[in-house]
Amino acid sequence: EPEVTQTPSHQVTQMGQEVILRCVPISNHLYFYWYRQILGQKVEFLVSFYNNEISEKSEIFDDQFSVERPDGSNFTLKIRSTKLEDSAMYFCASSFPGNTIYFGEGSWLTVV
Amino acid sequence: DAKTTQPPSMDCAEGRAANLPCNHSTISGNEYVYWYRQIHSQGPQYIIHGLKNNETNEMASLIITEDRKSSTLILPHATLRDTAVYYCIVRGVGSQGNLIFGKGTKLSVKP
Repeated sequence: EPEVTQTPSHQVTQMGQEVILRCVPISNHLYFYWYRQILGQKVEFLVSFYNNEISEKSEIFDDQFSVERPDGSNFTLKIRSTKLEDSAMYFCASSFPGNTIYFGEGSWLTVV
Repeated sequence: DAKTTQPPSMDCAEGRAANLPCNHSTISGNEYVYWYRQIHSQGPQYIIHGLKNNETNEMASLIITEDRKSSTLILPHATLRDTAVYYCIVRGVGSQGNLIFGKGTKLSVKP
């Protein structure tokens, strides 16, 4: 069964460092998403991406965040200068237009 | 998207049916009801969705009331591995929009 895959599964980074989280969406999907979940809190939407541009973003997704689909298979989330409060599980997801959204297993980011 | 209301927690005996309710009284005619679950801190897992008819798949059944203001997810024979947080989410038909997660229902399946 096709699945969304994410790397790394866990990353520890120093505050102020740049982090790139990577995702390989399901192959025929056209919509891509990033969500995050701070420990003990709800799953929160960050951004959706379609046709090589951001289609929707939340207020969490500020200028320190960016997304890219660099090579037609990967979908990345970059955090330019990490803060302690960026520590969270980050989930990538994908869907075919109008269809069910499928999630990856997540990348756990710890900022120290 | 319409909001949903779910009980914060429920218990179920292993082997018995787990019935998880969800209220979505402001749902509109072009909105689906989706169910996901999250086991520990894993990624949300799609379970089932429906518009107005009852639906069944290998994981669960979804019963939607005739007025569509509430629904029930049924896990017919709950196992310990079904212990998870279950989310009921409303999403527009054909919508490209994201999913809005609430707090869900923490289902604990007990031996």
